[in-house]
Amino acid sequence: AQSVTQLGSHVSVSEGALVLLRCNYSSSVPPYLFWYVQYPNQGLQLLLKYTTGATLVKGINGFEAEFKKSETSFHLTKPSAHMSDAAEYFCAVSGGGYQKVTFGTGTKLQVIP
Amino acid sequence: DADVTQTPRNRITKTGKRIMLECSQTKGHDRMYWYRQDPGLGLRLIYYSFDVKDINKGEISDGYSVSRQAQAKFSLSLESAIPNQTALYFCATSDTNRGWTGELFFGEGSRLTVL
Repeated sequence: AQSVTQLGSHVSVSEGALVLLRCNYSSSVPPYLFWYVQYPNQGLQLLLKYTTGATLVKGINGFEAEFKKSETSFHLTKPSAHMSDAAEYFCAVSGGGYQKVTFGTGTKLQVIP
Repeated sequence: DADVTQTPRNRITKTGKRIMLECSQTKGHDRMYWYRQDPGLGLRLIYYSFDVKDINKGEISDGYSVSRQAQAKFSLSLESAIPNQTALYFCATSDTNRGWTGELFFGEGSRLTVL
């Protein structure tokens, strides 16, 4: 079984401030981990992913995430928020025999000017 | 043009009506999925298909059926729509021909309202 918990359904940050979106996962096998972003009226697009290897993963638009096995976490960060970062962000995990992808409940990021 | 195309993008219907949502892809991917998005619940898997002859139920398949007409086409049907099926529906694809990476490619969504 696999699951994802995203802490905070809404996060607000000021423009230029650090963005930190939290994700904890559960997986009975070594996981693949993902962050997706959804802009208004659009589908989801991949921000970044961890499969194997380096635990600090860099993605598009200046985002990065660190896989911490001991903490079962995969938090998403960006040093300086931009207005265009306002969107909903989904953490996801894949693992197990059917290789299905399980999504978290999402975090809406608001960026305040 | 989008690689994963969903039709219709918006649909309003009445309780008891049959509804079909269609998805087509030009990516050449083998796997296709239908997800449902509800506020506060994230995305939940309805059905998934590994190839034309391999269709599997997801976590919330009750009240839904699917058809994989070709590798590129995967449709979702609601035989008798009910109001709690009001949601945003996403089709997605993935490619295992070069090994599983887990990455999904999404359509732009179909917003369904059942009155």
